[in-house]
Amino acid sequence: QSALTQPASVSGSPGQSITISCTGTSSDVGGYNSVSWYQQHPGKAPKLMIYEVAYRPSGISNRFSGSKSGNTASLTISGLQAEDEADYYCTSYTTISTLYVFGSGTKVTVL
Amino acid sequence: QVQLVEAGGGVVQPGRSLRLSCAASGFTFSTYAMHWVRQAPGKGLEWMAVISNDGSNEYYADSVKGRFSISRDSSKNTLYLQMNSLTTEDTAVYYCGRTRWLQLGYFDYWGQGTLVTVAS
Repeated sequence: QSALTQPASVSGSPGQSITISCTGTSSDVGGYNSVSWYQQHPGKAPKLMIYEVAYRPSGISNRFSGSKSGNTASLTISGLQAEDEADYYCTSYTTISTLYVFGSGTKVTVL
Repeated sequence: QVQLVEAGGGVVQPGRSLRLSCAASGFTFSTYAMHWVRQAPGKGLEWMAVISNDGSNEYYADSVKGRFSISRDSSKNTLYLQMNSLTTEDTAVYYCGRTRWLQLGYFDYWGQGTLVTVAS
């Protein structure tokens, strides 16, 4: 099972919006509403930001939003802030070989 | 509050074994599936294994199938990962995490991770 495909890096200026894509197949991203997104700062554990494609856990800013179209899920960060600079990973349930697969990860840089 | 605390990491020689543990508290351990996820230095997250809430089902990534074994002890609220025949490619920070369901779940809590270094 190969990792889901994410862009290696995305950057934006403070206040701007950015979108991170997560591309899989019909056996994972496209087949189930089981995509979640995680933020990871250096040396820290991942943190859940979005679950089941578009739902935000309690305490997560509404600047973070998720969506899905076909085999590609997306995470949008609006009103970009310095604290959003981190690595972001998507994950999905999958029926190929394993039960879960992570994305390759995207480094978000706030210019 | 929910807490997951990993332990057992360290330096181990290639070919040897190591057992990691993850102590859970602040929630009903027996109602959650539990996972191991690893991250090699400078690399991304890699899902390793999951065990169902009652311990009756286990699934593994192809990269560790046959070498690693996940288990849980509900009397101790503890998750384990037995790692055998370790190679340098197993060097990583190992995280435990929970999902409400075995399938179609999401990781709402993670431990802080424990570092395993495989080196001679």
